[in-house]
Amino acid sequence: KNQVEQSPQSLIILEGKNCTLQCNYTVSPFSNLRWYKQDTGRGPVSLTIMTFSENTKSNGRYTATLDADTKQSSLHITASQLSDSASYICVVSRGFSGGYNKLIFGAGTRLAVHP
Amino acid sequence: EAGVTQFPSHSVIEKGQTVTLRCDPISGHDNLYWYRRVMGKEIKFLLHFVKESKQDESGMPNNRFLAERTGGTYSTLKVQPAELEDSGVYFCASSQDRYEQYFGPGTRLTVT
Repeated sequence: KNQVEQSPQSLIILEGKNCTLQCNYTVSPFSNLRWYKQDTGRGPVSLTIMTFSENTKSNGRYTATLDADTKQSSLHITASQLSDSASYICVVSRGFSGGYNKLIFGAGTRLAVHP
Repeated sequence: EAGVTQFPSHSVIEKGQTVTLRCDPISGHDNLYWYRRVMGKEIKFLLHFVKESKQDESGMPNNRFLAERTGGTYSTLKVQPAELEDSGVYFCASSQDRYEQYFGPGTRLTVT
């Protein structure tokens, strides 16, 4: 079954601290893995997209890693800010012939950054 | 450049009524997607348009849901008749290529 599992479900950290969110997937055929940030009441916004051959990608204070062999990914947030409080969703894209992709979403990790 | 817009932002209807959700994609994006998140669950794919054609509608839950994209621009998602389990947040996304999808803010549907 094509699934994306995220941990932890929720996380509270203090402003300025680092944190790492985890994602395990069993999606096949794999095309790419994405991390999205979703603020309350808004739609998801893409942070990173990684293909099979990429094992790390950064976007400012966000760094995503991908281990395609173990089917695991992580999102590391450095020097957290209050504005980082949001849900972070791991999404794996299933690839089909002709370039068509279908997204499988994880349930998300709800991060709260406290002052 | 305007992003993906959705209307209404929130809709409250009674069981058995009809609701139509609208999505305006980013101009020039041929691909348009509908997704849904029901309470406590992950976002799930409903269907995918390429221009005005349905590329994949395998995620549509049943025949009470009808999506259209006349002229390949905006899209509507009609639920008729609505049931309690249809409550959730409906997201629309659009893309120009097969990678980056841009999401709208969602429509929160409450069926009472």
